[in-house]
Amino acid sequence: DSGVTQTPKHLITATGQRVTLRCSPRSGDLSVYWYQQSLDQGLQFLIQYYNGEERAKGNILERFSAQQFPDLHSELNLSSLELGDSALYFCASSVEGTGDSPLHFGNGTRLTVT
Amino acid sequence: QQQVKQSPQSLIVQKGGISIINCAYENTAFDYFPWYQQFPGKGPALLIAIRPDVSEKKEGRFTISFNKSAKQFSLHIMDSQPGDSATYFCAASTTNFGNEKLTFGTGTRLTIIP
Repeated sequence: DSGVTQTPKHLITATGQRVTLRCSPRSGDLSVYWYQQSLDQGLQFLIQYYNGEERAKGNILERFSAQQFPDLHSELNLSSLELGDSALYFCASSVEGTGDSPLHFGNGTRLTVT
Repeated sequence: QQQVKQSPQSLIVQKGGISIINCAYENTAFDYFPWYQQFPGKGPALLIAIRPDVSEKKEGRFTISFNKSAKQFSLHIMDSQPGDSATYFCAASTTNFGNEKLTFGTGTRLTIIP
């Protein structure tokens, strides 16, 4: 068990809708990362928060947004959903945000857009 | 631009055999090379990592070999077991920057057959 909790495990929704994915990081970890995993794209970095502040953005679409709350949990908001947004979304956390800090991943949220 | 190329995409090895997964990188600024292991329904988990100041690192049956001049590194799993069946991701990052620079390969699905 990585200590990172993601909810919900599965989400099925229709195109054009909006969903919120939730992540509770490992106790003591200040950095939270969101990744998208699709079959042909591997793990794509979306966005990172460190202690409540946005630290880095990756390949995150403008329709997607995230935030980290004072209790360090994070939410990823996906809006105007398209079929191509169907994927596994992982949250990861680390103690620091340095390049050699091990990432601890949750078990992901599988999003299906119909 | 894919900065870390991983091969093969899938691999089938007999129990007791050696599993070898290869990765190549382009960015010479990378100085930290972790491998993550992902079981079905789970998030990736750090397996083993190496820095370019050593050519090999071994942890149990898992060994990373690193060739700085060729910009290649590989994972060797000795005496492969059915429990090793998983998807393996190589990755690379620059420790002077944060984990947002961690670049993953596209993954190798390893199947160990009895």
